[in-house]
Amino acid sequence: GDSVTQMEGPVTLSEEAFLTINCTYTATGYPSLFWYVQYPGEGLQLLLKATKADDKGSNKGFEATYRKETTSFHLEKGSVQVSDSAVYFCALASGGYNKLIFGAGTRLAVHP
Amino acid sequence: DVKVTQSSRYLVKRTGEKVFLECVQDMDHENMFWYRQDPGLGLRLIYFSYDVKMKEKGDIPEGYSVSREKKERFSLILESASTNQTSMYLCASLSGSDLLSYEQYFGPGTRLTVT
Repeated sequence: GDSVTQMEGPVTLSEEAFLTINCTYTATGYPSLFWYVQYPGEGLQLLLKATKADDKGSNKGFEATYRKETTSFHLEKGSVQVSDSAVYFCALASGGYNKLIFGAGTRLAVHP
Repeated sequence: DVKVTQSSRYLVKRTGEKVFLECVQDMDHENMFWYRQDPGLGLRLIYFSYDVKMKEKGDIPEGYSVSREKKERFSLILESASTNQTSMYLCASLSGSDLLSYEQYFGPGTRLTVT
């Protein structure tokens, strides 16, 4: 079945460092891909999305490009801030009724 | 702003108890979901509903049931709570007219501990 694999965390960075969180997927057909973020004590919220190959999603300085040839959707940010500390989930939309399949999540900790 | 609220942030129940988790959304969304979140496993779909009184099993429905009597409310029921149901439970909703964006709106979660 469809699945999402994320790099294991935690990822610990200093402020202003470059961030990459790897995400690869397995899916039949042409899924839509998403990054959700969960700040401490809160529910998940959509960070960015891409609906077809070569699309780039971007928001709040984060970017991810839908790479069909490598079945990847890696999350990047050029300069992280302490406020970016959160858990990041890669997900794909699969099947009917708008089901999302999530990766295991990657915890990011950014230190001053 | 879409708001999804869950009845409790923290809940402690005993093994064998019947547990009700309530979720309410205020945006007239057709689709609602219940997930559980466990470390290293991400979010796993328990049940979802695409209309009042309609429900579909997700990936891990065993030990759970759901109820959707009104459009805004989706309840998750643990018929006889067990310790392996200790987890964070997240509710989400999605507009039927928002299918392409797939932006599910999440509640803050209920951390359930079964002792």
